[in-house]
Amino acid sequence: IAGITQAPTSQILAAGRRMTLRCTQDMRHNAMYWYRQDLGLGLRLIHYSNTAGTTGKGEVPDGYSVSRANTDDFPLTLASAVPSQTSVYFCASSDRGGNIQYFGAGTRLSVL
Amino acid sequence: RKEVEQDPGPFNVPEGATVAFNCTYSNSASQSFFWYRQDCRKEPKLLMSVYSSGNEDGRFTAQLNRASQYISLLIRDSKLSDSATYLCVVTPTGFQKLVFGTGTRLLVSP
Repeated sequence: IAGITQAPTSQILAAGRRMTLRCTQDMRHNAMYWYRQDLGLGLRLIHYSNTAGTTGKGEVPDGYSVSRANTDDFPLTLASAVPSQTSVYFCASSDRGGNIQYFGAGTRLSVL
Repeated sequence: RKEVEQDPGPFNVPEGATVAFNCTYSNSASQSFFWYRQDCRKEPKLLMSVYSSGNEDGRFTAQLNRASQYISLLIRDSKLSDSATYLCVVTPTGFQKLVFGTGTRLLVSP
């Protein structure tokens, strides 16, 4: 059982470029989440999705977009990357009513 | 004021020691509480949920004090493998959005 798979594991990106971080889960969880983790700031929620077809904004949504076309996939897109988006990005999922979230291994993104 | 506050540490303890972390939360209506563990350059993983009556899982004991709005984690007989960052996590009311503390780093030495 893979759980949650994120790709790529790391990426160096030029400012202004478009980038999509991929997230796939095989646990059939309804809810999925994207976080960024920065030193001293902890994990901050970017966007979430309660179920396929719906998405919502988290604490730091600006500069990011998401889609949830099906249960398994929840890609995060940076339309025009900026250096302040350098971070570690974690995707997570939880089952219905579940406060317990399961995380992917993360994507380390550097925007130069 | 941050929603969830933790002492960043690091807490340096020898093997076999007992160590305790506290975490305070600001929203008195918060419903659920957890401790997650995060190893260096890895993803967070659930360590244990925290129940109002307190709960124990082997060497780990978690307690909740709603009146004072803090939760605690006690680790007995520390092992080298306990070295990690421990994240305090709170669920406010409504949708299952988790609010993470910035973490407390524990270093267990031989």
